[in-house]
Amino acid sequence: ETGVTQTPRHLVMGMTNKKSLKCEQHLGHNAMYWYKQSAKKPLELMFVYNFKEQTENNSVPSRFSPECPNSSHLFLHLHTLQPEDSALYLCASSQDSDIAGELFFGEGSRLTVL
Amino acid sequence: AQSVTQLGSHVSVSEGALVLLRCNYSSSVPPYLFWYVQYPNQGLQLLLKYTTGATLVKGINGFEAEFKKSETSFHLTKPSAHMSDAAEYFCAVRHIGGFKTIFGAGTRLFVKA
Repeated sequence: ETGVTQTPRHLVMGMTNKKSLKCEQHLGHNAMYWYKQSAKKPLELMFVYNFKEQTENNSVPSRFSPECPNSSHLFLHLHTLQPEDSALYLCASSQDSDIAGELFFGEGSRLTVL
Repeated sequence: AQSVTQLGSHVSVSEGALVLLRCNYSSSVPPYLFWYVQYPNQGLQLLLKYTTGATLVKGINGFEAEFKKSETSFHLTKPSAHMSDAAEYFCAVRHIGGFKTIFGAGTRLFVKA
């Protein structure tokens, strides 16, 4: 396993479902991120975790619930989503000791909400 | 607040022609600057970055970018486009000491044979 791995790659869910996205990084990084990528919009930073502690919550609706049990794993729990939440969800990691903060991205989880 | 503006959501060039993708940022202090590339059905990967020092930065695949503080710009160039360069390119800024990387809206590069 190398880099940042996201599962599932594709997810279709109804508005009343509960599902989770998983991210795992094998780079020994300390910081992990969730970004939302929608068509024709800039990437939106959702959450940042550094050493398992949440440092950023960019006014994300409570129907998105992150969890970071350790520095290698990050989850995004999804509940009662709306069709406008359909997007590509990208996980990234970085080394906090890297002052420039280069991000390493996974391939994303394509979410469709019906 | 930091922001990033990429001029042109689509740029089309012929194979072998110069590639120029424009990026301007707004920030109260010079931030760290990045260009990322995204190929279809993939995540983003770093092309190059500017932190300190030399303002002309070279990256992978023959790309380079120049930080111009007076113009608050960080335009991406490549002397000769290749078909494999077709992708979406994102300019990004990160405030020194922070965890927030802010991305531009992206520029999709098309390369014609």
